[in-house]
Amino acid sequence: NAGVMQNPRHLVRRRGQEARLRCSPMKGHSHVYWYRQLPEEGLKFMVYLQKENIIDESGMPKERFSAEFPKEGPSILRIQQVVRGDSAAYFCASSPGQSRQTDTQYFGPGTRLTVL
Amino acid sequence: AQKITQTQPGMFVQEKEAVTLDCTYDTSDPSYGLFWYKQPSSGEMIFLIYQGSYDQQNATEGRYSLNFQKARKSANLVISASQLGDSAMYFCAMRERTGGFKTIFGAGTRLFVKA
Repeated sequence: NAGVMQNPRHLVRRRGQEARLRCSPMKGHSHVYWYRQLPEEGLKFMVYLQKENIIDESGMPKERFSAEFPKEGPSILRIQQVVRGDSAAYFCASSPGQSRQTDTQYFGPGTRLTVL
Repeated sequence: AQKITQTQPGMFVQEKEAVTLDCTYDTSDPSYGLFWYKQPSSGEMIFLIYQGSYDQQNATEGRYSLNFQKARKSANLVISASQLGDSAMYFCAMRERTGGFKTIFGAGTRLFVKA
């Protein structure tokens, strides 16, 4: 009964490169969320996806960031032309999507992105 | 305005004692859920406990209980019989019905358990 899986766990990129973060939700979960955590801060919502659909991307920067959750395969968070300010931990969470209030989101271990 | 406020950046507790971590929230939505997560030094986010706004009783999960005071808009986490392994960051979070599935997190409280 695997939990939420994220890879890579650590990612180092130079400024201007692309970062691609992957997330496989828990079995039976159809909802995926991405959050960003800066050092010593709480998590900030970025985007919420269901299979093949972006439901809420209100927390996503307008430029350079994109997310997808294809019919087959993991959800991908892509950051193009990374800058030092993108250095953070990126967490993926998944939930069954049964209720807005009670749906518990289970988190993956996170990907720690370092931009040199 | 802050939706979730955790006023204690750091807390110390003696092993085997109980500790309360504070959380207040701000919402005009009558329907919402409150969550607590633990983040140890290894970095993962571990779900601890959930309280719904319409729940009549305070939630409990093992050594964790949630002191839910709706009128005061507070949802404090109580950890009984603290253990060294409880040392971690603790985040309070909320989801409003009108907010969809977006969860809003507080800034966290770092708990240190002393032997």
